Amino acid sequence: AQSVAQPEDQVNVAEGNPLTVKCTYSVSGNPYLFWYVQYPNRGLQFLLKYITGDNLVKGSYGFEAEFNKSQTSFHLKKPSALVSDSALYFCAVREGVLTGGGNKLTFGTGTQLKVEL
Amino acid sequence: SQTIHQWPATLVQPVGSPLSLECTVEGTSNPNLYWYRQAAGRGLQLLFYSVGIGQISSEVPQNLSASRPQDRQFILSSKKLLLSDSGFYLCAWRESLPTDTQYFGPGTRLTVL
Repeated sequence: AQSVAQPEDQVNVAEGNPLTVKCTYSVSGNPYLFWYVQYPNRGLQFLLKYITGDNLVKGSYGFEAEFNKSQTSFHLKKPSALVSDSALYFCAVREGVLTGGGNKLTFGTGTQLKVEL
Repeated sequence: SQTIHQWPATLVQPVGSPLSLECTVEGTSNPNLYWYRQAAGRGLQLLFYSVGIGQISSEVPQNLSASRPQDRQFILSSKKLLLSDSGFYLCAWRESLPTDTQYFGPGTRLTVL
């Protein structure tokens, strides 16, 4: 079975400071890892993913994430936060081997990011 | 480019009434399709997924059903809504190549009174 943990319900950051949103995962085989962002009353927007290759993945809007296999983590980071980054962030995982099971994603419970002036 | 549509955007329905939510995808063929519900909190619950026309897998036994009458159309239905069916319903499609990524629609806010 696959699972994702986002240990922080909310993260508060001052604008201009670096931000980190934490994610740890559990999966049987090689993980495919994703980050999505959701603004109020909107669908989820894809930010970035890790499938293979470089452990540091760069995505949309200046976000990046670092895959750490030994710590089974995939933390989302940004060097300098903006007020407009305030939103709900979801980490998701699935096993990399394609199966007949619809390639289902397992999502974390989400972390609310609040960036203040 | 591919786009995904959901309608209606918002819906208020009385308890016991039927439901039909529609999701369509443009610009791709034979996508995997998914229905999620996001209750007032934040967690996403996978309700159904489909790997092809007429092929539906249910993740959680409940008051809802899904159908895929056409390749790029995914419908979520109920014969009689319950108060607990209220929530934000999200449709998603998976692009197998080149990105192997799920992309989400704008969602439908359902309120059952």
